[in-house]
Amino acid sequence: QSALTQPASVSGSPGQSITISCTGTSSDVGGYNYVSWYQQHPGKAPKLMIYDVSNRPSGVSNRFSGSKSGNTASLTISGLQAEDEADYYCSSYTSSSPLVVFGGGTKLTVL
Amino acid sequence: QVQLQQSGPGLVKPSQTLSLTCAISGDSVSSSSAAWNWIRQSPSRGLEWLGRTYYRSKWYNDYAVFVKSRTTINPDTSKNQFSLQLNSVIPEDTAVYYCARDSLLTGDLAFDIWGQGTMVTVSS
Repeated sequence: QSALTQPASVSGSPGQSITISCTGTSSDVGGYNYVSWYQQHPGKAPKLMIYDVSNRPSGVSNRFSGSKSGNTASLTISGLQAEDEADYYCSSYTSSSPLVVFGGGTKLTVL
Repeated sequence: QVQLQQSGPGLVKPSQTLSLTCAISGDSVSSSSAAWNWIRQSPSRGLEWLGRTYYRSKWYNDYAVFVKSRTTINPDTSKNQFSLQLNSVIPEDTAVYYCARDSLLTGDLAFDIWGQGTMVTVSS
């Protein structure tokens, strides 16, 4: 069982917006602004999409945005495109070992 | 651009040692603004961070407590690479192993560069 809780799946139509939640505790998500989000296509390594809750690395589309409220972080993808279909994982720094914990992943289906 | 290239065997016998290497191009293992991590992924356990090595005037290591007694992550400055050794492996260590960089430019423990992954199977 993963330390952070994500919905197993979400879906949306092209052009729509979806939000993926990531729930932790005050020892990880709620206690620090070190939440990251990753996109993973089948057979590929994860790709960093969001870091420090809401920052986008260079080259990541501004259709991807992150936020946090209390112990829950969220990833929003606007203007859904077929290429966004992938698995998405959240991670957070944690005050105990291991230093970083991951969510179980959410499969995004673009209908 | 920065790239990580992994190498190592894909099959390890139970009780033996898993050894993987991650060669760095476009950055330095001795960089004072980066850390070099190992992460694994399996269907049963998901993504798990195993540990990291980094240089801040001297070398440091951090390990996940659940593998700390069996794990060593070492830098090799002469070859600009770092390695993972996981001792006394069991079938539950079967996973895809990734090396990854976290950089001060993208926050602590946010992994912006990943290796290609190595599927390691623990089986006799």
